[in-house]
Amino acid sequence: AQKVTQAQTEISVVEKEDVTLDCVYETRDTTYYLFWYKQPPSGELVFLIRRNSFDEQNEISGRYSWNFQKSTSSFNFTITASQVVDSAVYFCALSRMDSNYQLIWGAGTKLIIKP
Amino acid sequence: DAMVIQNPRYQVTQFGKPVTLSCSQTLNHNVMYWYQQKSSQAPKLLFHYYDKDFNNEADTPDNFQSRRPNTSFCFLDIRSPGLGDAAMYLCATSRERAGHSNQPQHFGDGTRLSIL
Repeated sequence: AQKVTQAQTEISVVEKEDVTLDCVYETRDTTYYLFWYKQPPSGELVFLIRRNSFDEQNEISGRYSWNFQKSTSSFNFTITASQVVDSAVYFCALSRMDSNYQLIWGAGTKLIIKP
Repeated sequence: DAMVIQNPRYQVTQFGKPVTLSCSQTLNHNVMYWYQQKSSQAPKLLFHYYDKDFNNEADTPDNFQSRRPNTSFCFLDIRSPGLGDAAMYLCATSRERAGHSNQPQHFGDGTRLSIL
């Protein structure tokens, strides 16, 4: 069965601190895709990154970086030098490769950045 | 410019009174999705269209229906809203289905539905 676990329900840090959001997934597929989305208080879901299972290279985009490790089935997300605007709920999701096209979502981690 | 547009942003309806939520896209994507998201939960897929091909999730209540008259527009109809249907409804699009070419889904701002 496919499953995505975001064990951290809520994280609160002070601005400029680094913070890592954990994502652990389960799948029997040998090929799959992983995503991170951001949902600010305004409600829209903003796509941040996708990663396919063949590519374990870490990725950095500005203050954001992602660490994909198949050995531990994890796809963690780090924000460096956090800012108040980073406050949001962050969802990790897994894309299935069978005939069901549904994204498997984690429960989300609420990130609060205090000034 | 917004590429997936949902109207209205907030909708209030009465218990049992039909309501329609709308979504339009300027991306010319093949797939359009409707999600329901309740407070502090992940989005839950209700159904999706691949072009004109409608795909209903097994646990989507019969109360929820959808129409896609053309590529750009998709509607969510709730025939007899109950108090439990109060939620954020999110529309999303992708060029291909999730799982094909790892296409990300692009979301609208959502419509927050309240039931009186």
